[in-house]
Amino acid sequence: SQQGEEDPQALSIQEGENATMNCSYKTSINNLQWYRQNSGRGLVHLILIRSNEREKHSGRLRVTLDTSKKSSSLLITASRAADTASYFCATDAGVRGYQKVTFGTGTKLQVIP
Amino acid sequence: KAGVTQTPRYLIKTRGQQVTLSCSPISGHRSVSWYQQTPGQGLQFLFEYFSETQRNKGNFPGRFSGRQFSNSRSEMNVSTLELGDSALYLCASSLVGSTNEKLFFGSGTQLSVL
Repeated sequence: SQQGEEDPQALSIQEGENATMNCSYKTSINNLQWYRQNSGRGLVHLILIRSNEREKHSGRLRVTLDTSKKSSSLLITASRAADTASYFCATDAGVRGYQKVTFGTGTKLQVIP
Repeated sequence: KAGVTQTPRYLIKTRGQQVTLSCSPISGHRSVSWYQQTPGQGLQFLFEYFSETQRNKGNFPGRFSGRQFSNSRSEMNVSTLELGDSALYLCASSLVGSTNEKLFFGSGTQLSVL
């Protein structure tokens, strides 16, 4: 079962614009991570935010976390064609601290050159 | 450092057959997780291994099994294949499998069941 749901399911923007993706989850978490997947390939880790953090930056990425609303957002600024991919949030579901990360449904981002 | 290696990259099987997929984690990583990805169900957690022990298991039937060897390499097996088992199977590794570690994914094995 999915712990998280991303919104929107698909997003199409022009190169240079900002892209915002949202993730909502159901149960309390220790950490939330964002991953990127290029078509039919493995996932690549982008950023991890802990439950006691509210915002984190990495290059053109900005992630926010609101544990009271059980939601997170990923902002990609000044998007590039190479950012075209699916983006997934992942939560640990608080299971004994061991690796049982569950992924959301994903947002498919298309950046048009 | 070599990344996570999954073999084979593509596999075609028929219903009722069984299949074994292999995953070699990044050197030094002792935790290996497996995921099934389908268009309808998204990414579903199968199981996680650490030091040859299965620590967590997802909600899959007993036809799905796995193991981990002393060198941390892992295999997963699916017996009595069904059409619905067609999917991209991904494995991921991390140092000790703590949930505050990032996962490193392989490119996956695309399984088609005919």
